[in-house]
Amino acid sequence: AQTVTQSQPEMSVQEAETVTLSCTYDTSESDYYLFWYKQPPSRQMILVIRQEAYKQQNATENRFSVNFQKAAKSFSLKISDSQLGDAAMYFCAANSGYALNFGKGTSLLVTP
Amino acid sequence: GAVVSQHPSRVICKSGTSVKIECRSLDFQATTMFWYRQFPKQSLMLMATSNEGSKATYEQGVEKDKFLINHASLTLSTLTVTSAHPEDSSFYICSATDRGSGAYIQYFGAGTRLSVL
Repeated sequence: AQTVTQSQPEMSVQEAETVTLSCTYDTSESDYYLFWYKQPPSRQMILVIRQEAYKQQNATENRFSVNFQKAAKSFSLKISDSQLGDAAMYFCAANSGYALNFGKGTSLLVTP
Repeated sequence: GAVVSQHPSRVICKSGTSVKIECRSLDFQATTMFWYRQFPKQSLMLMATSNEGSKATYEQGVEKDKFLINHASLTLSTLTVTSAHPEDSSFYICSATDRGSGAYIQYFGAGTRLSVL
């Protein structure tokens, strides 16, 4: 079984600044994947970034990057040059098969 | 690519009626589909996993007879909420994955807001 913990219910960042969202997980699996999904007010779940656990290199997608610390079971998301459109709920998730285990989410507010 | 269509986006029904929600993968073969339920300001809760051509696997606490899932083809899964009651009102989201890609990525539909009067 896997558990995913997001300890920040809400975060706020100013436009153009950088923000980091925290996520820790617990798993007994040796092979697994980690994800960050974004859910804007439309409630459409959007994949932001994905990390394979066997890869040491941190994944990067444009302004989004992760800090994957496997030993510490930590998987934080860094958003650089924040934009108003980044405002959303962000969910960290883990899977080892095909089912996803989600954290409780972090609500990100972006202020002008 | 990797588009999942979910229909309807919103449904209002009377208590006691049944409601069917469709989830289609438009540009890939969805060997596995998932159904989630999401309450306001909460995370997604997995209800069941369905593989094409076989019975769905339900999570603990989810009533199989209340939430009927059919995955008859590689592009379509349906969730039927039978004899809906006000407590079934919620946001239902489907997702699909292509096992053949090996990517373990789930692509989500836009969700269905169910309101039972």
